[in-house]
Amino acid sequence: RKEVEQDPGPFNVPEGATVAFNCTYSNSASQSFFWYRQDCRKEPKLLMSVYSSGNEDGRFTAQLNRASQYISLLIRDSKLSDSATYLCVVTPSNTGKLIFGQGTTLQVKP
Amino acid sequence: NAGVTQTPKFRILKIGQSMTLQCTQDMNHNYMYWYRQDPGMGLKLIYYSVGAGITDKGEVPNGYNVSRSTTEDFPLRLELAAPSQTSVYFCASSWDTQETQYFGPGTRLLVL
Repeated sequence: RKEVEQDPGPFNVPEGATVAFNCTYSNSASQSFFWYRQDCRKEPKLLMSVYSSGNEDGRFTAQLNRASQYISLLIRDSKLSDSATYLCVVTPSNTGKLIFGQGTTLQVKP
Repeated sequence: NAGVTQTPKFRILKIGQSMTLQCTQDMNHNYMYWYRQDPGMGLKLIYYSVGAGITDKGEVPNGYNVSRSTTEDFPLRLELAAPSQTSVYFCASSWDTQETQYFGPGTRLLVL
């Protein structure tokens, strides 16, 4: 089993749609959780951290369920500029090592 | 601040050749990392460093070496290039283990 698994993509959605990405992780001792965004042929950039209480940043909402070892990202009112690959990232312990999922590609169509 | 810079941007190597991928950060971060990303895959950690003079292996260290003589620089060395090392290499840095990692623009390496 992979340490971090994400929904297989790609997701093709129209502008204005709401889309949700799911991610599961295998190590119950994991401490930190993130969503990174990666544009085509570019470096990953932090989109948002994920907290146990859930957190929101504009159109983006992240949720963490430690009991189920599950992370989600919800994007409301999708924009063309949201088209990218979204990487679920987990820190297994207090080492700073990031474990990346394989990413889910989102394509928002006009 | 330039952030994390990497050189070269792109390189073609022949099998058996060696090269060093350069990485520099100007944010005074303690932690630095090297990742590789194969097509359609997530990033895998090659080596990391928690400070000058200290390095440790990540998930896929075979075929690579690193050094960290200064806080700013964290070069990655390939001694005997193999086709399996064709990938995009990203360097990253962070202030602390729980903090955001900042990535360089990447080096695309092709081994033929």
